[in-house]
Amino acid sequence: QLQLQEAGPELVKPSETLSLTCTVSGGSISSSDYYWGWVRQPPGKGLEWIGNIHYSGRTNYNPSLKSRVTISVDTSKNHFSLNLSSVTAAETAVYYCARTYINGWYLESWGQGSLVTVSS
Amino acid sequence: SYDLTQPVSVSVALGQTARITCGGNNIGSKNVQWYQQKSGQAPVVVIYRDYNRPSGIPERFSGFNSENTATLTISRAQVGDEADYYCQVWDSSAAVFGGGTKLTVL
Repeated sequence: QLQLQEAGPELVKPSETLSLTCTVSGGSISSSDYYWGWVRQPPGKGLEWIGNIHYSGRTNYNPSLKSRVTISVDTSKNHFSLNLSSVTAAETAVYYCARTYINGWYLESWGQGSLVTVSS
Repeated sequence: SYDLTQPVSVSVALGQTARITCGGNNIGSKNVQWYQQKSGQAPVVVIYRDYNRPSGIPERFSGFNSENTATLTISRAQVGDEADYYCQVWDSSAAVFGGGTKLTVL
């Protein structure tokens, strides 16, 4: 049973960098069939895709966030990470990690989500 | 950027059929996914590639996509179907979500 678990600070100051890690258990991150990515959801609002990464290192980013986002993968630890720089209060959200199955291109497994608050 | 438009809310009587639309420019040329998100939970895919159901999703959920509108249909609506529903497409290797539709079962 695949599980994804987000981890990282719950509180980040404005203008600083938000960093989260998603640990994958019950499956290998080094499978060619999947991309691993991040989606966020501000309280009471809709879903926004941030980006994803293949274990080979290939990345795709939301154009509106691309200049501030870095997603990386560590196959030895079976986890991947998100760095989002220069955050503002408007980026307070639940951040989900999710796996995309390339045979169908849908986000088929999700973490439970991690609420990150941006505030001084 | 590619925009997807969904109604904010849809209501359906218990046991009746609910239809949730997702509008986009020539969306019929793209593959559409639908996600169900219940309160306080992570989203779950209910339809992928326009009309395909992942294992475990009831046959009551179906999808159709043509021209400028994709539609998620939920037959014999149940109280347990109350949730937010999001459509999603890929545009130049980036995922785009619709704004979401809150389904209420009366």
